[in-house]
Amino acid sequence: QKEVEQDPGPLSVPEGAIVSLNCTYSNSAFQYFMWYRQYSRKGPELLMYTYSSGNKEDGRFTAQVDKSSKYISLFIRDSQPSDSATYLCAMIRSSNYQLIWGAGTKLIIKP
Amino acid sequence: NAGVTQTPKFQVLKTGQSMTLQCAQDMNHNSMYWYRQDPGMGLRLIYYSASEGTTDKGEVPNGYNVSRLNKREFSLRLESAAPSQTSVYFCASSLGGDRSDEQFFGPGTRLTVL
Repeated sequence: QKEVEQDPGPLSVPEGAIVSLNCTYSNSAFQYFMWYRQYSRKGPELLMYTYSSGNKEDGRFTAQVDKSSKYISLFIRDSQPSDSATYLCAMIRSSNYQLIWGAGTKLIIKP
Repeated sequence: NAGVTQTPKFQVLKTGQSMTLQCAQDMNHNSMYWYRQDPGMGLRLIYYSASEGTTDKGEVPNGYNVSRLNKREFSLRLESAAPSQTSVYFCASSLGGDRSDEQFFGPGTRLTVL
C-alpha cells in the first residue's frame, strides 16, 4: 500500500463548479502538506502549503488538512478552464524529512 | 531570470547507451533534486544535493549517477540505459537544505529507451 493515495481521475466538471481534490495518507508522522499544480508537459509548481490541521485560503483555492482522519483536500471555487491540470499532493515525513508525492489527479474544466 | 532549465527536452536512446541530463538554476538556490515521473507513480526522488559539493541518494538511485558541478548546475547520468528508465525526468531546486522549502521545477526531459 502506498503511503499517500490520490485518485488519478480524470475528474471532469463544468466551468464555475466547485472542485474537491483529495489525498489520504497512512503515516501519522507526516507534518507538512502541499499541493502542486502541473500543466501538461510542464514541471509542477507550488499552489498551497499548510502545516497544521484546519483550512488555509488563497483566492479561489482552499487547502484543508484533517490529521485525525489522515486526509487532505484542495477546493477550487468558481473553477475556470485554465484550472485544467494535474494536481499533486505532497507531504513531508517528520522522522526523516523525506518528501512523498501522491500520483496526481487530472482535472478537466469544461467551458 | 530563467528559473530552472533542463536539456535536452526529448531524447531517445537504445538499451546500453549512456547520456547526461543537464540542469541549471539561476535563483542562487542551495539545494537541487532529480526526480522521475511515471504514470500512476507520482514523482520519485532519484538523487538530491543539499548544498554544493554534497549529493545523496533518494528513493530510486540505482542505474543513475549525479554531479553537482557548482552551485548552479546538477547533472544526472545514465551509464547504461535500460527500458525501465523510460520516464520524464524533472530537475528542481530550493533555497535551503530543508526539504520543506518550496521546490521550483524545470520543464522536464522526456526520455525513451528502446
